[in-house]
Amino acid sequence: ETGVTQSPTHLIKTRGQQVTLRCSSQSGHNTVSWYQQALGQGPQFIFQYYREEENGRGNFPPRFSGLQFPNYSSELNVNALELDDSALYLCASSYTGELGEQFFGPGTRLTVL
Amino acid sequence: AQSVTQPDIHITVSEGASLELRCNYSYGATPYLFWYVQSPGQGLQLLLKYFSGDTLVQGIKGFEAEFKRSQSSFNLRKPSVHWSDAAEYFCAASADRGSTLGRLYFGRGTQLTVWP
Repeated sequence: ETGVTQSPTHLIKTRGQQVTLRCSSQSGHNTVSWYQQALGQGPQFIFQYYREEENGRGNFPPRFSGLQFPNYSSELNVNALELDDSALYLCASSYTGELGEQFFGPGTRLTVL
Repeated sequence: AQSVTQPDIHITVSEGASLELRCNYSYGATPYLFWYVQSPGQGLQLLLKYFSGDTLVQGIKGFEAEFKRSQSSFNLRKPSVHWSDAAEYFCAASADRGSTLGRLYFGRGTQLTVWP
């Protein structure tokens, strides 16, 4: 059974640029959630995707957007990057039949200069 | 609003000593509760979860947690800590119904250092 994978591992961007992060969900999982973990903080919920549609969103601006594909993999897009967007971005997959139990990938470390 | 509080930012224990990490939650109803562990450069690994029923739950790596409704707490315990337990520990909660179902709300984490 393949776990949750994310790419790239690390990324450096400059302020104002756009970035796309990718996530492959665990086999059999149909829901993907994205979290932002700033240094020294706990992860914060960005949004969740189920059946290729956004299914709940946290307190993040519209420049954070996402996609889910038919194979349940997902992308997180961030436009107009700001310095405060520097963080570890975590993807978690789950199955709707097992509410709340999410399996996390290793994360993508984004640095905005 | 839902929130999870971990009062201790950093805890240091000696190897072989017992451990208790504190977690308090603020929710409208009893949430689903979780403890995750994060090692450097790694994602979050689920240690244990509480949905309902027995208030003492057993997890992996010898960890257990006790849900206390009267105290809105879900503290993590281990009777004897190993050096490999050094990591950051996160308590998280999720609503059991409603529009925020499936979202995890995390505490800010407790960094555990283990002395040899």
